[in-house]
Amino acid sequence: KAGVTQTPRYLIKTRGQQVTLSCSPISGHRSVSWYQQTPGQGLQFLFEYFSETQRNKGNFPGRFSGRQFSNSRSEMNVSTLELGDSALYLCASRGDSRRNTEAFFGQGTRLTVV
Amino acid sequence: DQQVKQNSPSLSVQEGRISILNCDYTNSMFDYFLWYKKYPAEGPTFLISISSIKDKNEDGRFTVFLNKSAKHLSLHIVPSQPGDSAVYFCAAAPTSGTYKYIFGTGTRLKVLA
Repeated sequence: KAGVTQTPRYLIKTRGQQVTLSCSPISGHRSVSWYQQTPGQGLQFLFEYFSETQRNKGNFPGRFSGRQFSNSRSEMNVSTLELGDSALYLCASRGDSRRNTEAFFGQGTRLTVV
Repeated sequence: DQQVKQNSPSLSVQEGRISILNCDYTNSMFDYFLWYKKYPAEGPTFLISISSIKDKNEDGRFTVFLNKSAKHLSLHIVPSQPGDSAVYFCAAAPTSGTYKYIFGTGTRLKVLA
């Protein structure tokens, strides 16, 4: 069974640009969550999607948005990039058949804003 | 406000000995807890979880203990192996019906051969 796939793995963007990151969950998983990891801050929750609906959102500005498609693939978009957006962006999927289930993470997309 | 805290940024242990990683939380609404291991340039890998109805869960060399009254959980690795060297994150999930995890800032474990 293929794991969670994130593309691209690495990305360099200029301040003010926008970026779209992609995540394909484990086959059969309908829940996709996004996290931002920066040094010293751990993993910060961005948002979670289930069946194309955003179920929960973290404390990030509106420049951060996402969506989920009917095949459960998800995209995350960051507009008007700032230097502080440089981070590892992680996507996680879960089967969601029961509430207390573990999430499986992809390898992440390393975004560098210059 | 950091709701999940890992107060030790790093830990060194001799191979074969026990590694104990600690995690404290402040929100009594958390009822599901997880530990993840992360190598550089990789995503976190799920290790073990525990529900608040239990106080212990074992899986091979890994045991998680939960002390609800102290709002504290710990991960024990016995025996520690050099391949265990990684950053370990604890995470908590609330009962409110949301599905987000709140992560600690991680503890870097180094197992010395």
